[in-house]
Amino acid sequence: AQSVTQLGSHVSVSEGALVLLRCNYSSSVPPYLFWYVQYPNQGLQLLLKYTSAATLVKGINGFEAEFKKSETSFHLTKPSAHMSDAAEYFCAVTLYNNNDMRFGAGTRLTVKP
Amino acid sequence: DTEVTQTPKHLVMGMTNKKSLKCEQHMGHRAMYWYKQKAKKPPELMFVYSYEKLSINESVPSRFSPECPNSSLLNLHLHALQPEDSALYLCASSPSAGGTNEKLFFGSGTQLSVL
Repeated sequence: AQSVTQLGSHVSVSEGALVLLRCNYSSSVPPYLFWYVQYPNQGLQLLLKYTSAATLVKGINGFEAEFKKSETSFHLTKPSAHMSDAAEYFCAVTLYNNNDMRFGAGTRLTVKP
Repeated sequence: DTEVTQTPKHLVMGMTNKKSLKCEQHMGHRAMYWYKQKAKKPPELMFVYSYEKLSINESVPSRFSPECPNSSLLNLHLHALQPEDSALYLCASSPSAGGTNEKLFFGSGTQLSVL
């Protein structure tokens, strides 16, 4: 079965600093990978997704992620953090024609002024 | 309309009560999902409906009973819940019933407290 592991339950950065949230996946077949963001008391919103078209994926709000098969990673980055980026971030994985999306444990991002 | 609407937003119920959570989407999506999310934890898949038929049931206790009356509506009937069932219940939909390689659209959830 497919799964993802997020390294670091909490990441704290200063406003304007680089954001790096780590995600590693496990899958016996090529996976589809996603990053979602969740603000308090809200549902999840898609930031970006990888579906094998391109290894570098650009998403909303200036985020991007790179799929590295050799490292089984799909880390999320943003060059310059903004206060509004403070939220919970989830990496998720599914397989082709599979309704079973699995989420990582989540990483809480804190942005300091 | 690109929203998934969940009602109610908050629900407090006793262990002997019967209540229902409702979810609605008008995007023509053919798959709908229920997830359970405990505080500071990731969402956990409960049920998936594809073309209004239950396609995935993740061994959820029978005190949770899903229902998909039509392609736009998804209900979760609750009966004899336990305090440990207190959580945020999220509904989601996706365009294709064939898989979630497309993104999920999430509602804002129902925060359930069982006393």
